[in-house]
Amino acid sequence: DGGITQSPKYLFRKEGQNVTLSCEQNLNHDAMYWYRQDPGQGLRLIYYSQIVNDFQKGDIAEGYSVSREKKESFPLTVTSAQKNPTAFYLCASSMPDRGSPLHFGNGTRLTVT
Amino acid sequence: GQQLNQSPQSMFIQEGEDVSMNCTSSSIFNTWLWYKQDPGEGPVLLIALYKAGELTSNGRLTAQFGITRKDSFLNISASIPSDVGIYFCAGQLGAGTASKLTFGTGTRLQVTL
Repeated sequence: DGGITQSPKYLFRKEGQNVTLSCEQNLNHDAMYWYRQDPGQGLRLIYYSQIVNDFQKGDIAEGYSVSREKKESFPLTVTSAQKNPTAFYLCASSMPDRGSPLHFGNGTRLTVT
Repeated sequence: GQQLNQSPQSMFIQEGEDVSMNCTSSSIFNTWLWYKQDPGEGPVLLIALYKAGELTSNGRLTAQFGITRKDSFLNISASIPSDVGIYFCAGQLGAGTASKLTFGTGTRLQVTL
């Protein structure tokens, strides 16, 4: 079955450490996205990539970095510069045409103490 | 980034009741999407709407693209316990990637037996 795999499901880190969240898709989608979800808020876009080796900042990119070396993979690094990193992170993918809806992974819950 | 006004924020209903929720925006959209998110999981697409006035059903779910293009509605008929979760609307204006998606803050649905 095609889908988006995020790993790990739960991640714990000490403050000051960088951490990388994995996202892999086998849907053959060109575009991939990272969202952050906090309680009581809608999803906020961190970074997105429309094609391999290219990516763009979303609404809340500060303190995060990404890479897109392969079509299937779009890892997100939460750096020590992110002031409030504890959150639920969602990866998504889509075909880059109008109305192509997002398909989401099952998320990674990051807790930084 | 802009967020949509989604209401109600939460609701408790009896099993078997019908449910209505809506999203409103100060801006017009060309696409409306409705997602459901179960606890600890990623959102799953329920219904996609691409034309003003469009009414689309998916089983017990019916969604409408408002004629003004600034709102959308989701109805669930004869609710059952597995309807519990958070429902998100999302609007998109232009063509291209889903980077232009704006998400609502969600409606939390809880069903009492």
